[in-house]
Amino acid sequence: RKEVEQDPGPFNVPEGATVAFNCTYSNSASQSFFWYRQDCRKEPKLLMSVYSSGNEDGRFTAQLNRASQYISLLIRDSKLSDSATYLCVVKGNNNDMRFGAGTRLTVKP
Amino acid sequence: GAVVSQHPSWVICKSGTSVKIECRSLDFQATTMFWYRQFPKQSLMLMATSNEGSKATYEQGVEKDKFLINHASLTLSTLTVTSAHPEDSSFYICSATRDPDTQYFGPGTRLTVL
Repeated sequence: RKEVEQDPGPFNVPEGATVAFNCTYSNSASQSFFWYRQDCRKEPKLLMSVYSSGNEDGRFTAQLNRASQYISLLIRDSKLSDSATYLCVVKGNNNDMRFGAGTRLTVKP
Repeated sequence: GAVVSQHPSWVICKSGTSVKIECRSLDFQATTMFWYRQFPKQSLMLMATSNEGSKATYEQGVEKDKFLINHASLTLSTLTVTSAHPEDSSFYICSATRDPDTQYFGPGTRLTVL
């Protein structure tokens, strides 16, 4: 079983749509959780951290369920510029980050 | 935000040669740097954790004699792919930590081995 598993995607949605990505992780001792965004042939960039109480940043909402070892990302009112691959990232005790395979999102006009 | 650079951004080499990739934290000191590899349409795979002044810690399945890592200073880590072969062609990305919860990624180095 992979350490971090994500929806395989790809997701193709129209502008303005709401889209949700899911992620599960296997290591119950994981400490921190993040969503990164990666554009084609570029390095990943931090989108947002994920907190136990859930957190929101503009159109993006992240949720964490430690009991189910589940993380989600919700994007509302999708923009063309949201098209990218979204990576679920889990950090362990040794400060090492484990990446999910990523979910590709394409927002179309 | 913090800046991490990599050099070169891309390299093409012949099979059997060695390639050195540099990772620098430009505006902060990084005691820990990480090296990742990403094959097309796949996610980042951690190769090794590099700590300044000590030996790197390699992930299972990563050959330490093939991927030499040196972290000589708080702002520089290097990855040398020795005797590169076509299957080593990949996107190599480094990251550096300034605080425990944030890793700053370099722009990556695209290696093509002919």
